[in-house]
Amino acid sequence: EIVMTQSPAILSMSPGERATLSCRASPSVNRNLAWYQQKPGQAPRLLIYYTSTRASGIPARFSGSGSGTEFTLTISSLQSEDFAVYYCQQYDNWPPLTFGGGTKVEIK
Amino acid sequence: QVQLQESGPGLVKPSETLSLTCTVSGGSIRNYYWSWIRQPPGKGLQWIGYIYYSGSSNYNPSLKSRVTMSVDTSKNQFSLKLSSATAADTAVYYCASSEATLKMDYWGQGTLVTVSS
Repeated sequence: EIVMTQSPAILSMSPGERATLSCRASPSVNRNLAWYQQKPGQAPRLLIYYTSTRASGIPARFSGSGSGTEFTLTISSLQSEDFAVYYCQQYDNWPPLTFGGGTKVEIK
Repeated sequence: QVQLQESGPGLVKPSETLSLTCTVSGGSIRNYYWSWIRQPPGKGLQWIGYIYYSGSSNYNPSLKSRVTMSVDTSKNQFSLKLSSATAADTAVYYCASSEATLKMDYWGQGTLVTVSS
């Protein structure tokens, strides 16, 4: 089973700041990695797939990078609606599909 | 755009079978892979498995012995059965759609299932 580890668990930021979220895979998942955003009481929403491709309707302030075992989700300038929990998911080697434990981006 | 809606009992007794159905609208059930994912209260996401419209399926090995998925193309629905439920199965259960790559493109709103006597 591929293990996905996200850091930090909590990221305290102010609106307008740049946020950098990390996801580590063990072993490699090539570029087969997706990011999701989840707000309280809502289902996750696909943000990024294949490491760096934004899903339909996702603002350009969200970007993804990385390959192999190290991945990053960057939010260039945090908006109020971006404070949420973010999950990474690998779809390179399964079953099972696996998710990271999540990073909560909270208002500082 | 595909829309998904979970339905089923919100309370299940220990040792009984948890059963949920997901109804698909806005698209054909023949076009995607259909997954179930769960999230215990305050915790992260766990993939349970997927089923394709043909009936082929793939389950999380940690749950495989207790999981059965099925699809009804005439009703545009797919279902999950999880046997021998325990309190550890208490979670919000989501259905989701994906292409063959298995990134989850669309999600249902989720339904909370509590396992308790």
